[in-house]
Amino acid sequence: DTGVSQNPRHKITKRGQNVTFRCDPISEHNRLYWYRQTLGQGPEFLTYFQNEAQLEKSRLLSDRFSAERPKGSFSTLEIQRTEQGDSAMYLCASSLGASGRADEQYFGPGTRLTVT
Amino acid sequence: GENVEQHPSTLSVQEGDSAVIKCTYSDSASNYFPWYKQELGKRPQLIIDIRSNVGEKKDQRIAVTLNKTAKHFSLHITETQPEDSAVYFCAASIGALLTGGGNKLTFGTGTQLKVEL
Repeated sequence: DTGVSQNPRHKITKRGQNVTFRCDPISEHNRLYWYRQTLGQGPEFLTYFQNEAQLEKSRLLSDRFSAERPKGSFSTLEIQRTEQGDSAMYLCASSLGASGRADEQYFGPGTRLTVT
Repeated sequence: GENVEQHPSTLSVQEGDSAVIKCTYSDSASNYFPWYKQELGKRPQLIIDIRSNVGEKKDQRIAVTLNKTAKHFSLHITETQPEDSAVYFCAASIGALLTGGGNKLTFGTGTQLKVEL
């Protein structure tokens, strides 16, 4: 499968625990995005990377959230001290990023987080 | 920041009829407008996109139109089929040359399309 992959697909955790999600983009894609989607809503932007550089973070990304893309390939999103309001689908997308213009973003299947 | 509004929230059509979903955006700097289809429990799938230098784009039964002056864009699906049933999201983005890097997407709230036999 050459598409965007995410692991795990589902995560159930207790409030206060830390969780980490992984995203593997399409292999030649330079840009990687994280979005969060709650039921009945469109995805909301969280952060994005151009290669290994994190270039923008949304106000939605509180201090409990951190994302990395250490070698410009896969990325991880960590949530510390989870709260029930963090329950959502966390989507990763990647794009080629070869030009200065907006390019097509392809999404992974998401990680569904449930905080109990 | 950018704000995208999408209407209607639900749409039921008979098989073979056309469906139209409309979106408006607020930031005149936005210049890239993709549409995604999301089936229940699945990833958003890019189905068509349009850039601000064109007014219309077609791909088989799907077309998108853009009115930059009014800041409106619409998705048109002709000859609808049951497999078109899904949630459709519009999105808007400012191009990377203006942002200095990537292009975050601002999504509408989605339209649940149901194609009835």
